[in-house]
Amino acid sequence: GDSVTQMEGPVTLSEEAFLTINCTYTATGYPSLFWYVQYPGEGLQLLLKATKADDKGSNKGFEATYRKETTSFHLEKGSVQVSDSAVYFCALIGGGATNKLIFGTGTLLAVQP
Amino acid sequence: DTAVSQTPKYLVTQMGNDKSIKCEQNLGHDTMYWYKQDSKKFLKIMFSYNNKELIINETVPNRFSPKSPDKAHLNLHINSLELGDSAVYFCASSLMAVRGDSPLHFGNGTRLTVT
Repeated sequence: GDSVTQMEGPVTLSEEAFLTINCTYTATGYPSLFWYVQYPGEGLQLLLKATKADDKGSNKGFEATYRKETTSFHLEKGSVQVSDSAVYFCALIGGGATNKLIFGTGTLLAVQP
Repeated sequence: DTAVSQTPKYLVTQMGNDKSIKCEQNLGHDTMYWYKQDSKKFLKIMFSYNNKELIINETVPNRFSPKSPDKAHLNLHINSLELGDSAVYFCASSLMAVRGDSPLHFGNGTRLTVT
């Protein structure tokens, strides 16, 4: 079945450091790919998405490019802030007929001042 | 205005009890979902309704019964609660049940603790 694999956390960075969170997927057909963010005590918020190969999703300084050849959707940010501390989830919606969102295990990011 | 709201935020109860969690969305979306997040933050879909019709029903014990009185509401009733039901339950909605083009909007979750 469809699945998402994320790098294990926690990832601890200093403010203004470069961030990469790796995400790879397995899916039949052409999935849509997403990054969601969960701040402490809150629900998940959509951060960015890409619906076809080579698309780049971007939001709030975060970027991810849909790479079909490597089945990857790595999240990057050039300069993280303390306020970026959260759990980041990579997710996909596969080729089925329904909007079934499949999540990776989440990566905790802790940014220190 | 809260787009997807769940009540209660916290729910502490004893084994064997029956409890309900309510969810409402004011986004005009057609599709609603219940997800379960375990203690390791892993999220798994439980159910999905599209216009009050059940469209996704994962392998969930039949002690869990979703009910959608209208497309803006999706409630979750749990019978005979067990310790393993302790988790955070998230409600979500999307404009349509169409893959890829309708991102999910999540509520803030209900933390259920079964003692």
